[in-house]
Amino acid sequence: DGGITQSPKYLFRKEGQNVTLSCEQNLNHDAMYWYRQDPGQGLRLIYYSQIVNDFQKGDIAEGYSVSREKKESFPLTVTSAQKNPTAFYLCASSMPGQGIEEQYFGPGTRLTVT
Amino acid sequence: GQQVMQIPQYQHVQEGEDFTTYCNSSTTLSNIQWYKQRPGGHPVFLIQLVKSGEVKKQKRLTFQFGEAKKNSSLHITATQTTDVGTYFCAGRYGGATNKLIFGTGTLLAVQP
Repeated sequence: DGGITQSPKYLFRKEGQNVTLSCEQNLNHDAMYWYRQDPGQGLRLIYYSQIVNDFQKGDIAEGYSVSREKKESFPLTVTSAQKNPTAFYLCASSMPGQGIEEQYFGPGTRLTVT
Repeated sequence: GQQVMQIPQYQHVQEGEDFTTYCNSSTTLSNIQWYKQRPGGHPVFLIQLVKSGEVKKQKRLTFQFGEAKKNSSLHITATQTTDVGTYFCAGRYGGATNKLIFGTGTLLAVQP
């Protein structure tokens, strides 16, 4: 089955620790995205990548870092510099230039930092 | 900056009643998409609107894109319990980045 996988589903960390969230897709999509969702709020874009080895900051990139070394993978690191890291993190992918450029979302990772 | 406002934030209806959520952008959109997120789930794409004044239907769901391409609406006729979830609009402004800007979403609760 084609799709996006995120692991783990739940993640707990102590304050001051960096943590990396995994995102893998086998849809052969060029573009990948990381969003953050807080209760009662919409999806806010953290980082996006339109092609391998390239990525751009989204609206709330501070305290986060990403890499895009492979087309299939777009891991997100939440660093200790992120002041409020507890949130639901969603990864998505899309294929630009295909007319309807819908985004396919993974199941998400719920990160709790105490 | 570019923002997409969505109202209402929450709507509670009796099963069988109609429901509408509205999206507004201060600047013209190149297109708009709608997503549905079930409780505990992830957003799933519903539809994309591109043309000024476009209207599209999916069974009981009717989607509209305003003439000025700055607003959009989703109307559900005769809601069912399966319609429960958060509905997001997401506007695309075009240009080099081509990224989506999501609205804050409308949480729909349906009482049987």
